[in-house]
Amino acid sequence: SYELTQPPSVSVSPGQMARITCSGDALPKKYAYWYQQNSGQAPVLVIYEDTKRPSGIPERFSGSSSGTMATLTISGAQVEDEGDYYCYSTDSNGNQRVFGGGTKLIVL
Amino acid sequence: EVQLVESGGGLVQPGGALRLSCAASGFTFSGYEMNWVRQAPGKGLEWVSYISSNGYTTYYADSVRGRFTISRDNAKNSLFLQMNSLRAEDTAVYYCARDTGNDGYNDYWGQGTLVTVSS
Repeated sequence: SYELTQPPSVSVSPGQMARITCSGDALPKKYAYWYQQNSGQAPVLVIYEDTKRPSGIPERFSGSSSGTMATLTISGAQVEDEGDYYCYSTDSNGNQRVFGGGTKLIVL
Repeated sequence: EVQLVESGGGLVQPGGALRLSCAASGFTFSGYEMNWVRQAPGKGLEWVSYISSNGYTTYYADSVRGRFTISRDNAKNSLFLQMNSLRAEDTAVYYCARDTGNDGYNDYWGQGTLVTVSS
């Protein structure tokens, strides 16, 4: 089955740049999407179609994708950005949806 | 306002069955693909199943294929997940989520319903 791989955790100081990666074999052909989840709440979309930012999401959130890796970048991470981040995509056939294992962002 | 409200969760013994429902409102339900996503306690998000807007196409995660069945009733704006042969590892909060289509993403989520599989 198709898998997306993320680092378990990323730790930065407030104001530093945070980068969270997501690797998957189908990413050259399929978009990556990024969700933020705070404990017990439904996920919130922060990046769609690799690089686009939904309305209401701060400009410090950006996305990129190259080859088999997608990256979520938070420029100048804030304490309120702490939480779990998940990438989401589909396999090359568009049948299997999949979430990455999630990355806990720590800002302190 | 788009609303998705799950129901049907609860405590069930291993090997048992449960049927989850998701009531949709605030949008044209028949025009959207839908997904079930679950999250075990303290664990990450796991996609469970997908259904096309007309219900003719369904996909399942390997972990549930052959045990779970997704379906929908567009006349009643409802999504369902029939879960059979339940295992302890199926314990999770189950979310229904609206799919934007074209291998897109889930733009609206319900609040989730907890399924606990335990003796």
